[in-house]
Amino acid sequence: DGGITQSPKYLFRKEGQNVTLSCEQNLNHDAMYWYRQDPGQGLRLIYYSQIVNDFQKGDIAEGYSVSREKKESFPLTVTSAQKNPTAFYLCASRRGQGFPGELFFGEGSRLTVL
Amino acid sequence: KQEVTQIPAALSVPEGENLVLNCSFTDSAIYNLQWFRQDPGKGLTSLLLIQSSQREQTSGRLNASLDKSSGRSTLYIAASQPGDSATYLCAVQGNMLTFGGGTRLMVKP
Repeated sequence: DGGITQSPKYLFRKEGQNVTLSCEQNLNHDAMYWYRQDPGQGLRLIYYSQIVNDFQKGDIAEGYSVSREKKESFPLTVTSAQKNPTAFYLCASRRGQGFPGELFFGEGSRLTVL
Repeated sequence: KQEVTQIPAALSVPEGENLVLNCSFTDSAIYNLQWFRQDPGKGLTSLLLIQSSQREQTSGRLNASLDKSSGRSTLYIAASQPGDSATYLCAVQGNMLTFGGGTRLMVKP
């Protein structure tokens, strides 16, 4: 079955540690996105990538980093510079060529800083 | 800058009722509008995608309409069931993708 797989589902981090969230898709989509969701604040865009080896900052990129070395993979690193990293992180993808199409999401990763 | 508003923020209805969720947006220069469902602690599930040239889309008990000129979309749910309880979000695709804050729906048995 085609889809988006995020791992881990739950992650605990000590302050000062970097953590990496995995996002893999087998939908052959060009465009991939990372969103952060906090209660009462809706979804906010962290980073997005329209093509391999290229990515752009979203609205809240500070304290995060990404890479796009393969079409299928778009990992997100939450660095120690992110002041309030506890949140629910969602990865999404869609066909990126030409007209914007339907957006698909993974099941999310919940990060808690201890 | 596009702003997307969903009203009401929360809605509670008895089972079997037909209901309408609203999504309004400020910039009518859009490519498409997408409705999602989110269950607690889960990702977003795509329900319907309406292209800018379309007026409505239907899937089962769900019908979504789009009126670009007035900046409005509605999601109609027929014969609601307790399993429909979730948060419903709309997302408007213009130059950027903008999400509404969602409507939290509870359908009581």
